[in-house]
Amino acid sequence: DIQMTQSPSSLSASPGDKVTISCRASQSISRFLNWYQQKPGEAPHLLIYAVSSLQSGVPSRFSGSGSGTDFTLTISSLQPEDFATYYCQQSYSTRSFGGGTKVEI
Amino acid sequence: QVQLLESGPGLVKPSQTLSLTCAVSGGSISSVGYYWTWIRQHPGKGLEWIGYIFYTGNAYYNPTLKSRVDISFDMSENQFSLNLSSVTAADTAVYYCARGPVNTALGNSIDHWGQGTLVTVSS
Repeated sequence: DIQMTQSPSSLSASPGDKVTISCRASQSISRFLNWYQQKPGEAPHLLIYAVSSLQSGVPSRFSGSGSGTDFTLTISSLQPEDFATYYCQQSYSTRSFGGGTKVEI
Repeated sequence: QVQLLESGPGLVKPSQTLSLTCAVSGGSISSVGYYWTWIRQHPGKGLEWIGYIFYTGNAYYNPTLKSRVDISFDMSENQFSLNLSSVTAADTAVYYCARGPVNTALGNSIDHWGQGTLVTVSS
């Protein structure tokens, strides 16, 4: 099984801040890495697929990078609607999620 | 636009089988190039992948749940189902059904989610 580890598990930030979330896979997953955003009481939704491709409708302040085992989600200028929990997910071998990163005010 | 909607009992007794159905609208579950998946979220916790079934009918499961899980299609109703046997309180969670493209260029991601349904295991 491929284990996904996110860091930090939570962070505090202010609107306008640049935020970086890390995700590490227990083995190489090539570019099979996706990011999801989840707000309280809602289902997750896809933000970024295949490391760096923005899902339709996702603002350009979101970006992703990495390859192999180490990946990063960056929010260039945090907006009030971005306060949420973010999950990475590998799709190289079956599926597994990181533990999540809660972005708080 | 594909929409997914989970349904099933909100309360299941310990040792029984949890059975959920995901009704799909706006698309056919037999469409080539997609997989259909179940994911759960324990209260206040992260996401746990349960398993998926491909349009071919082949299913794959989380090793930690494999002995208790079955995912299947009901083509006549355009829905797919989750059965999780011998449940305990540890299976109390919000259960999501979802769909993803079998497409490496799209990261084999999960692009459509149901709203989720809370299932509580308690006597």
